[in-house]
Amino acid sequence: DIQMTQSPSSLSASVGDRVTITCRASQGISNFLAWYQQKPGKAPKLLLSAAFRLESGVPSRFSGSGSGTDYTLTISSLQPEDSATYYCQQYYSIPPFTFGPGTKVDIK
Amino acid sequence: EVQVVESGGGLVKPGRSLRLSCIASGFTFGDYAMSWFRQAPGKGLEWVGFIRNNSYGETTEYAASVKGRFTISRDDSKSIAYLQINSLKTEDTAVYYCARGNGILGGSPYYFDFWGQGSLVTVSS
Repeated sequence: DIQMTQSPSSLSASVGDRVTITCRASQGISNFLAWYQQKPGKAPKLLLSAAFRLESGVPSRFSGSGSGTDYTLTISSLQPEDSATYYCQQYYSIPPFTFGPGTKVDIK
Repeated sequence: EVQVVESGGGLVKPGRSLRLSCIASGFTFGDYAMSWFRQAPGKGLEWVGFIRNNSYGETTEYAASVKGRFTISRDDSKSIAYLQINSLKTEDTAVYYCARGNGILGGSPYYFDFWGQGSLVTVSS
C-alpha cells in the first residue's frame, strides 16, 4: 500500500498570508492525487484532482503542484473561511485509497 | 443539485449488526461507483470500500481492516447504496460517509466529488 504523509500537521497564519501544505507519497504517484478540505462537523470537500486540476466552484487562491512523490497545496491569500483540515489522497495504486493524516489550518 | 445523504447510524452494542443507507439524487446514480469512508472521533479519513456500477458487475473492493465484516451493495432503482456492518467492534465507532466516485477507469473511481454529511455509528455496551 502507498503511505501518505503531510507536513506540517498544523499551522496558524494570518489573513492574506500564503500557506503551503506538503504531501509526500511512499512511492511515485504520477500526479494521481486529490486534495480535500474538511471543516469541523462537515463532510470533506474535493478541492483539486490530478494534483493540479481545480474543481468547479473552488476559489482560484487554491492551487496544486508537485510531481513524483512530493506535492503541495497552496493557498495564495488565506481567508477566514479557509480555516479547516486539509487532506491529500492518492489514487495511483488502488485499492486501497490512502489519505494523508491531515493538516489543520487555523487563522491567527 | 447533486446530493448524497446517509442514514441508519446510532448506538449499537458490540457484536451486533447495522446497515447504513446512502440516498443519492441529482445525478444518474447507475453511472457512478459509490464509496464509503469513516472517520473515528478526532481522527483522519479512512477509506472503507466501494462498489462499481452495473456495467462492471457491481463488484466491490474493501479495505483490509474491514474485509469480511463489511458489505457494500446498491439498488440503482432507488439510487441507494448500502453499507452492512456485521460483528461490530468498539473500534468501528466513527462517522461514516458515503461519496460519489469520479474519474473512473475500469469501473474504479479515482477521487470523490460529492460527499454526504455523515452518519455517526457508536459501538458501546
